[in-house]
Amino acid sequence: KAGVTQTPRYLIKTRGQQVTLSCSPISGHRSVSWYQQTPGQGLQFLFEYFSETQRNKGNFPGRFSGRQFSNSRSEMNVSTLELGDSALYLCASSGGLDWYEQYFGPGTRLTVT
Amino acid sequence: DAKTTQPPSMDCAEGRAANLPCNHSTISGNEYVYWYRQIHSQGPQYIIHGLKNNETNEMASLIITEDRKSSTLILPHATLRDTAVYYCIVRPDYYGGATNKLIFGTGTLLAVQP
Repeated sequence: KAGVTQTPRYLIKTRGQQVTLSCSPISGHRSVSWYQQTPGQGLQFLFEYFSETQRNKGNFPGRFSGRQFSNSRSEMNVSTLELGDSALYLCASSGGLDWYEQYFGPGTRLTVT
Repeated sequence: DAKTTQPPSMDCAEGRAANLPCNHSTISGNEYVYWYRQIHSQGPQYIIHGLKNNETNEMASLIITEDRKSSTLILPHATLRDTAVYYCIVRPDYYGGATNKLIFGTGTLLAVQP
């Protein structure tokens, strides 16, 4: 089956700008989670969406937001970018018979200058 | 915070078994032990999970102690492609109303040597 896809794969933005990242889950998966990975903080949970509803949220400022569409595709938005937002943003989906397994996408590498 | 403790790094000779330990002394009765790995610059990959019985799949074996306070992931015949960061994660039973939230610790960097 096709894997989780994330677009774009690489992105360079300037401080103060905003950015939107997209994630397409595996077909049939209704849960989509987002993670931020940095060298200093490691992998940190941002939020999870299930059937268009945010089910859980990590400890990130309100500048980080997300949403999920009826086709389970998800977007996350970061407003007023800071240098510290430079990171690999990973999306994971789960559902179906192997509900226990989360499938991660390749990530979007965001660089804020 | 992560509920697991792992050694920061380990080496293993190619073809030999790699045994990766994990301590989770505060694990609750309804929490599972999950293992993921992350090969450099890729998204994490699920390996295996278990509650209290030993588990085996095509990738690895998971040995959980009787008191469930620690576990060991075993890669029976490590290859160079198994070089990765391995994460041990404690997670509540999905059907217990919990979410898919995973709390990653710092993991163990396994270096498989030729």
